[in-house]
Amino acid sequence: QLQLQESGPGLVKPSETLSLTCTVSGGSISSSSYYWGWIRQPPGKGLEWIGSIYYSGNTYYSPSLKSRVTISVDTSKNQFSLKLKSVTAADTAVYYCARLTTAIAALDYWGQGTLVTVSS
Amino acid sequence: QSALTQPASVSGSPGQSITIFCTGTSSDVGSYNLVSWYQHHPGKAPKLMIYEATKRPSGVSNGFSGSKTGNTASLTISGLQAEDEADYFCCSYAGSSTWVFGGGTKLTVL
Repeated sequence: QLQLQESGPGLVKPSETLSLTCTVSGGSISSSSYYWGWIRQPPGKGLEWIGSIYYSGNTYYSPSLKSRVTISVDTSKNQFSLKLKSVTAADTAVYYCARLTTAIAALDYWGQGTLVTVSS
Repeated sequence: QSALTQPASVSGSPGQSITIFCTGTSSDVGSYNLVSWYQHHPGKAPKLMIYEATKRPSGVSNGFSGSKTGNTASLTISGLQAEDEADYFCCSYAGSSTWVFGGGTKLTVL
């Protein structure tokens, strides 16, 4: 059974860089059938797509976050990562990683999510 | 790229049916049949319930169905059960390998 697990600091100071890693177990991140994505949910608000990455390293970002986001992949560790720079309180959210299966164009496996708070 | 529009809340009694609408634009929902729906119990991982607007993954109850007309997609839950109480989000492909979510709908089973 495929599992995704987010990890990283739960508290980040304003203006600094938020860094999270998603570890994939029970399957290979290097499959051509999938993209790997990051999604977030601010408190009391809806989900927001941040971006996704293919195992080859091709990345796709939300236009609204593109200037601050970097997603990378480490196939040797079966992990992909998110960096969001110059964070503010508005970036406080539960961050999820997920698998997007191209054949169905949907996110069929998700991590449990990790809360990241931006505060000094 | 704006969020898709969903009602903040819906409610229904056990055994009844409810429908949640998800309205986008001609740039997302209206242009692609790539709408998916997710059930989210707080503190848990979201679960895929519908993909490609109308298709149900294996293991999802046939009480869940989806449809799409123009710029609006919908999720219908028939035979409501207590365990269906959750938040529901729609998501649509928006072109150029980008995706957009709805604001979410809280379903209360009375």
